Amino acid sequence: DVKVTQSSRYLVKRTGEKVFLECVQDMDHENMFWYRQDPGLGLRLIYFSYDVKMKEKGDIPEGYSVSREKKERFSLILESASTNQTSMYLCASSNKWQNTGELFFGEGSRLTVL
Amino acid sequence: GDSVTQMEGPVTLSEEAFLTINCTYTATGYPSLFWYVQYPGEGLQLLLKATKADDKGSNKGFEATYRKETTSFHLEKGSVQVSDSAVYFCALRSSGGSNYKLTFGKGTLLTVNP
Repeated sequence: DVKVTQSSRYLVKRTGEKVFLECVQDMDHENMFWYRQDPGLGLRLIYFSYDVKMKEKGDIPEGYSVSREKKERFSLILESASTNQTSMYLCASSNKWQNTGELFFGEGSRLTVL
Repeated sequence: GDSVTQMEGPVTLSEEAFLTINCTYTATGYPSLFWYVQYPGEGLQLLLKATKADDKGSNKGFEATYRKETTSFHLEKGSVQVSDSAVYFCALRSSGGSNYKLTFGKGTLLTVNP
C-alpha cells in the first residue's frame, strides 16, 4: 500500500523555537508538497518540490523554508515559530508522469505554538 | 488565478438522506477536478476525479459530473450513512503552467446522524 508518513502527529513548541516537520513517501514520487489546513480557510500551499534540491514557493511561504535532499523526504522548517503558525500541516506527494496528478496525503502534523 | 468555491457547511443529514455538496471553479483551459475526503483524525483521501468535460467520477456511492458549461463539479450521494461523516474538499489541477499542484476549496463538514 502506498504511503506518505509524517514523523510527528502532534507537536507543542514555544514561540521562537526552530521546528522541523518531516515527511517521507515510499512511492518514488517526484513531486512533494506542504499544505497548511485551518478551519474556514481550507488547504493552502506553503511550498512544493518537483525534484531533489528543487523547490518553489506556494501561496503562503512566509515564515517557512523547506529542504529536499533525498527524493523520498521533504522537510518543512519553521525558523522561529510564532503563535500564528499553530495549525495542521499536511504533506503530500504525486507522480509527475501521471496525467491526472492526484495527490497522496499523510495523516497530518498538528502543531501548537505557545 | 485558479480558484474553487464550495458550499459552506456544516451540513447535517439523517441516515439515508440525499446529499449534494456544490462546487464551482475558475480556471483557464481544461482542469482536472477532484473530490477529497478527510475522516476525523486522518489525512485527505482521494474520493473521485474527472479529467475532461462530461466525465463522471464515482466511488463508494458518490458521484460528480464535470460540467464545463457551468464550471461545476457537484458531489452527490443518494443515501448517506453515518460512516460518511467527514470533511469533503473539492479541488482542481490546472491544465497549464504550474499544473502539478492542486487548488482546494475550503471544505464542507458533513455530519450524518443515525
